[in-house]
Amino acid sequence: GAVVSQHPSRVICKSGTSVKIECRSLDFQATTMFWYRQFPKQSLMLMATSNEGSKATYEQGVEKDKFLINHASLTLSTLTVTSAHPEDSSFYICSASRQGGFTEAFFGQGTRLTVV
Amino acid sequence: TQLLEQSPQFLSIQEGENLTVYCNSSSVFSSLQWYRQEPGEGPVLLVTVVTGGEVKKLKRLTFQFGDARKDSSLHITAAQPGDTGLYLCAGVRTTDSWGKLQFGAGTQVVVTP
Repeated sequence: GAVVSQHPSRVICKSGTSVKIECRSLDFQATTMFWYRQFPKQSLMLMATSNEGSKATYEQGVEKDKFLINHASLTLSTLTVTSAHPEDSSFYICSASRQGGFTEAFFGQGTRLTVV
Repeated sequence: TQLLEQSPQFLSIQEGENLTVYCNSSSVFSSLQWYRQEPGEGPVLLVTVVTGGEVKKLKRLTFQFGDARKDSSLHITAAQPGDTGLYLCAGVRTTDSWGKLQFGAGTQVVVTP
């Protein structure tokens, strides 16, 4: 299957600081990537759709000024959690799908964010 | 409310037993995927089904897509401890934009030796 790499896998930051998470598709080009948040023992919650070369599309209830998404190339999307607070602590996962045909999402390894 | 209703939420079985996980919706899906996720990792794709009535087998795992493309099931035969994990169904509705996956709530499967 396709490889999607997410970095870092774990990060601890102080309240009020910003954290950047990278998502790379290693062996295919992804015009669209997706960012999810997952709480313990729960399913994935879609936060936003990242579109290469254009603005991200955010799901209802997700603050676009808090969760900044940049999809500057066909293989890289970044999620920046700005002015992080303890309630932003969570597991963040990205996915990318090959263009064309039916959707098969390939997920990154996830990033465990802890805000202290 | 989840667009994909997944059941059961939790399954604990002994090694060698069989299990089935269900995924149901009132919406029609153009394709449906099953993933398995282990703690602290991203979901890993197991299978994609696209045709109504389709049955796919992956060793001890059998996946079925309903005729109307609204439901799916995952059956594991002779479960092993290595099958332990969170199983997620996900799909793209025919009315959604490309790539926008809807996820079920997940089924936590625990297989004890």
